[in-house]
Amino acid sequence: AQTVTQSQPEMSVQEAETVTLSCTYDTSENNYYLFWYKQPPSRQMILVIRQEAYKQQNATENRFSVNFQKAAKSFSLKISDSQLGDTAMYFCAFFMNTGFQKLVFGTGTRLLVSP
Amino acid sequence: NAGVTQTPKFQVLKTGQSMTLQCAQDMNHEYMSWYRQDPGMGLRLIHYSVGAGITDQGEVPNGYNVSRSTTEDFPLRLLSAAPSQTSVYFCASSYLVGRGGGNTEAFFGQGTRLTVV
Repeated sequence: AQTVTQSQPEMSVQEAETVTLSCTYDTSENNYYLFWYKQPPSRQMILVIRQEAYKQQNATENRFSVNFQKAAKSFSLKISDSQLGDTAMYFCAFFMNTGFQKLVFGTGTRLLVSP
Repeated sequence: NAGVTQTPKFQVLKTGQSMTLQCAQDMNHEYMSWYRQDPGMGLRLIHYSVGAGITDQGEVPNGYNVSRSTTEDFPLRLLSAAPSQTSVYFCASSYLVGRGGGNTEAFFGQGTRLTVV
């Protein structure tokens, strides 16, 4: 069963605007990692940002930031000052521990940035 | 530092044929995994491993076998290819949570586009 949910199959935003991609996950663990990966048309998987569950402070990487709500099991990605190069698929991922650790992904959100 | 090397990049198989997708990493990562990517379904976990000699099934394991005899290599075997296995396959590796510290992330191969006719 999928344990990472991305409820927005597609999003669009204009250049220079801000967009937020949503992600929820399910776990009973306390120690885990959350990631956002970007996949441009080249098919390459690129790490955008990561969050360690035990850190209360939201992670930021330049124009990318997350809103990590641990109790609500929510991990949204905010892209500020959107650029044409941000056009890509974005995947939320969760490194979970169920005896063995495993990395699971959501179904993705296709983001289109238009001029 | 090569990272994750995945071969081949493209492959066409006939129904019933078998093949092995190769994946190798040189970062001494404990964790390795295989995913398939299909439109609208994200990356679905096929099999994964948390160390040499330890493998487990993911979400969609049927029709695929894996083994992990070394830390570096994690091949994926298609036993008897079916058209439903037409997909893009990714291999990934990572430190386990608690081992890589703040730099934990999954590194991916370049993907294999497999077509079964």
